[in-house]
Amino acid sequence: EAGVAQSPRYKIIEKRQSVAFWCNPISGHATLYWYQQILGQGPKLLIQFQNNGVVDDSQLPKDRFSAERLKGVDSTLKIQPAKLEDSAVYLCASSEDGNNSPLHFGNGTRLTVT
Amino acid sequence: QQQVKQSPQSLIVQKGGISIINCAYENTAFDYFPWYQQFPGKGPALLIAIRPDVSEKKEGRFTISFNKSAKQFSLHIMDSQPGDSATYFCAAPSYSSASKIIFGSGTRLSIRP
Repeated sequence: EAGVAQSPRYKIIEKRQSVAFWCNPISGHATLYWYQQILGQGPKLLIQFQNNGVVDDSQLPKDRFSAERLKGVDSTLKIQPAKLEDSAVYLCASSEDGNNSPLHFGNGTRLTVT
Repeated sequence: QQQVKQSPQSLIVQKGGISIINCAYENTAFDYFPWYQQFPGKGPALLIAIRPDVSEKKEGRFTISFNKSAKQFSLHIMDSQPGDSATYFCAAPSYSSASKIIFGSGTRLSIRP
């Protein structure tokens, strides 16, 4: 079984620039999550999709962050404009149905905002 | 927002010793308690999980103990090995949505040879 794929692995941008991350979940997984992990902290949920609908985006800074999941498969997370405090690892995860089924994480995108 | 409180923040254990990490949750509606293991440069991976209808679950050297009355669950790593050196996160479903998983702050475990 292929795992969750994320790209790019690393990204360095200047503040006020924009950036986009891509995620391809495990085939057949209905639920997709984007987490933000700041160094030394636990992952923080940004947005959760069930198929192509948003289930929870309560902690997504909607003035600068946006996400979509096209056709219920791949997903992109965008930040525009970036701030210094956005420096973090952005993790994508998927699960079969979101109801107490294990989360499968990608290796993340490490974003550095200078 | 409900929290999942994890301790200790860091832990150093001699090879062959027992590593114990604790997690406290707030909401009794939780019914699924996983532990995730994360190595540097990698995403977290599910290590072991328990449901509250049992008090203990063992998989190899890893054991989850669950104390429903105290609203705590813990991870025990027996015969700790250098390869167990990683960051461990407990997690629990959100009160508002069973599919929303909230993570603890993590425990950095180092096993000394």
